[in-house]
Formats: sequence, structure tokens, C-alpha cells
Amino acid sequence: VVMTQSPLSLPVTLGQPASISCRSSQSLLRVDGYTYLNWFQQRPGQSPRRLIYNVFNRDSGVPDRFSGSGSGTDFTLRISRVEAEDVGVYYCMQGSDWPPTFGQGTQVEIK
Amino acid sequence: QVQLVQSGADVKEPGASVKVSCKASGYTFTDYYIHWLRQAPGQGLEWMGRVNPKSGGTNFAQKFQGRVTLTRDTSISTAYMELSRLRSDDTAVFYCARGWTMSVSYFDFWGQGSLVTVSS
Repeated sequence: VVMTQSPLSLPVTLGQPASISCRSSQSLLRVDGYTYLNWFQQRPGQSPRRLIYNVFNRDSGVPDRFSGSGSGTDFTLRISRVEAEDVGVYYCMQGSDWPPTFGQGTQVEIK
Repeated sequence: QVQLVQSGADVKEPGASVKVSCKASGYTFTDYYIHWLRQAPGQGLEWMGRVNPKSGGTNFAQKFQGRVTLTRDTSISTAYMELSRLRSDDTAVFYCARGWTMSVSYFDFWGQGSLVTVSS
């Protein structure tokens, strides 16, 4: 499954919202009723960190300004108010089909 | 707390092999797959394969099949990734990450990464 993110670069103003789109080449809805779409954040020089699993579930410790939505082939990660610590690359990743695959990444930077 | 601690950076010549370790702590080692991922300089994330620590069973991405060996030692809660026939374009940071074996769950905890440089 090919995962396509847009935009690839996202300059944002502190305190303003940001949105990243992720599209899959086929539906990620599985016969078990789940959609295995995850979002990861990779801050500069750090390992990736999972933010969202199964489309909209926030991982423990993830600020509630991060939210995930979508279904089928179209998904979105939203940051309600961007903070300086949100700078980094964001990846969507699907686990509905084998093998797991990632999007190209979206670089979020402060204007 | 859950931790995955990887071995340090390494430099190898083309054609050689490299073995990276990933020591798990803070959870039951055999309850979670250990996955391995590659990130070339300035590039994105690429899944390489996984090992089931309970059974030793492995699965690989097609492009790495035949060149990657994944093993584990349950006595010390450590997984290993060996990549053979190294090329210059294998220069990358390699990560281990875990995923629960009882459901479709990926990469909730990651190691700190191991930089492998392939250079003559």
C-alpha cells in the first residue's frame, strides 16, 4: 500500500492550527472493522514517537492538541495550536495491509 | 518503564556484515514483536522485518529478504539484526521498535537508533 502525504513541507505560525493529509492507495478498513492508520512524530535528532493509533486514538502522554481523523483512504492529523516543540517530521503509517508502509513525511517548521 | 536500548554506532566496509542489538526492559519480552526499521540520511522510515521473540519466527520486507537475519536471546531480552553484503547505500540509522503480538499494533516504543556507516 502506497501512502502519500501532503504537504511535504508545512511552515506554521506559533499558536495557529496545522493540518497534514495522508492518502492510501487502497482502503485501510479491515474485515475486523478496524483501520490501522498511525501517525508518528520525529523531532530533530530523535527517534520517532507514535502519536496516534487506529486513526484517532492518542497515545499516552500525547497532548490533546493533536488529533487524528479520517476513514477508508483519506486521513488527517491536526494540531490545534502549534507549539515550538512540535517542530519535526510527521509520518503516517498503515498496518492494515502487509507489509507496513510509511508516508514520505511532512516537515513542520515555524515561520 | 519500557525501554529499548540499542548498540552503538558502527563503521563497516562494503561487503561486510553488521549486527545491531536491541535490549528490552520494562515489559514481558515475549509478548511483543521486535521490528527493525531503516532511515537513510535525510530520508524517511522503511520497515525491514520483525521477529517474534516467543517463537523466533521472522518476516521480512521483500527488498531485505536474504540479506537480513533477525534473532533473539530470550534469556537476556535482546533482539539482533544482522545485515550482510553491505553497500554504501546501506548507510543509515537502524531502529528497533516493538509491536504487540496479540493484535495489529505497531511501534509504540522505539530504540534510540544505531548509526551504521558503510565506507571504504
